[in-house]
Amino acid sequence: SQQGEEDPQALSIQEGENATMNCSYKTSINNLQWYRQNSGRGLVHLILIRSNEREKHSGRLRVTLDTSKKSSSLLITASRAADTASYFCATEGQAGTALIFGKGTTLSVSS
Amino acid sequence: DAGVIQSPRHEVTEMGQEVTLRCKPISGHDYLFWYRQTMMRGLELLIYFNNNVPIDDSGMPEDRFSAKMPNASFSTLKIQPSEPRDSAVYFCASSFGGSGELFFGEGSRLTVL
Repeated sequence: SQQGEEDPQALSIQEGENATMNCSYKTSINNLQWYRQNSGRGLVHLILIRSNEREKHSGRLRVTLDTSKKSSSLLITASRAADTASYFCATEGQAGTALIFGKGTTLSVSS
Repeated sequence: DAGVIQSPRHEVTEMGQEVTLRCKPISGHDYLFWYRQTMMRGLELLIYFNNNVPIDDSGMPEDRFSAKMPNASFSTLKIQPSEPRDSAVYFCASSFGGSGELFFGEGSRLTVL
């Protein structure tokens, strides 16, 4: 069963623009993670935000978490062609349970 | 560290054949996960191990699928007999602790004809 659902499914922007992806989930969480997947490759961890955090930054990435709405957003600022990839949110419920991934948002950045 | 290593990267086989996928996790990691990725169903958790012991195999589709972890540095996912609907990319991932960052391998792309 899928816990997280990303929105939109696909996003096309120009270099330099910001990209925002959203994730909604169903049950309570301890943390929420975002991953990136380049075509034909494995997933790579981007950022983890804990349930008691509301916002977190890492370079050009900004993640927010609203536990009351059971939603998170990933903002990529000043996008580059190299940001073209699929982005997934992942959540786990009780500590020690495995991550469940959404179906992802496919981001295309054109130069 | 070399990261999570999976083999083979690509496998093409015929329906009914046995398929074995292999994974070497990152040294020191105590959790190992097997996921399957398809366009239709996205990333599905198949099974995961903690300290070589299977914890949750509820995602394994059916009895044709089995997974083992004989030691901390090796795991296999076996499909016997394989069917065309098993065609997917199978990922192995490992982590230190169950709820932290996952490190993924590059995946094994399986095509069953």
